Amino acid sequence: AQSVTQLDSHVSVSEGTPVLLRCNYSSSYSPSLFWYVQHPNKGLQLLLKYTSAATLVKGINGFEAEFKKSETSFHLTKPSAHMSDAAEYFCVVSLPYDMRFGAGTRLTVKP
Amino acid sequence: DGGITQSPKYLFRKEGQNVTLSCEQNLNHDAMYWYRQDPGQGLRLIYYSQIVNDFQKGDIAEGYSVSREKKESFPLTVTSAQKNPTAFYLCASSLADTQYFGPGTRLTVL
Repeated sequence: AQSVTQLDSHVSVSEGTPVLLRCNYSSSYSPSLFWYVQHPNKGLQLLLKYTSAATLVKGINGFEAEFKKSETSFHLTKPSAHMSDAAEYFCVVSLPYDMRFGAGTRLTVKP
Repeated sequence: DGGITQSPKYLFRKEGQNVTLSCEQNLNHDAMYWYRQDPGQGLRLIYYSQIVNDFQKGDIAEGYSVSREKKESFPLTVTSAQKNPTAFYLCASSLADTQYFGPGTRLTVL
């Protein structure tokens, strides 16, 4: 069995300040890990993916995530938030045909 | 353009009616999925299909049905047996373990 927990349901930052969205996972195997972003009334867009090639994964729009096996974490970061980053973010743990989504973290960016 | 399309974007249904949501992909992916999203919750898997003419129930299949007659298409029918069908429905297809999502259909039962 596998599961994922997003530790914050809502994160609020000011424009230009760093973003940290936290994710912990549980899996009996070596899963793939993903971050997706969803803007209101839209589908999910893939931000980045971890597949064991490197622990620090760079994604689109300046986001990156670090895989820490000892902490079973896969936190998403961005050095400087932009207004367009305001959205819902989902952490996902995946084995073939078994994808488990976190409950989501809503990111608010204040001007 | 390659991608996944869902139609309609918004759908309204009266109680007791069945309704079918469309999902089409031209990515040549073998696997396709349907998810349901409710406010403040993550996605929950309704059905998935790994190959044409085959599909499997997900975590919340009751009250839903699907078909997979063509590789490109995976329509979802919300039946009158689904007790609380108002939600945002997302279709996805996958290459290996990475899923790609359509824009979604918002279903409202009146």
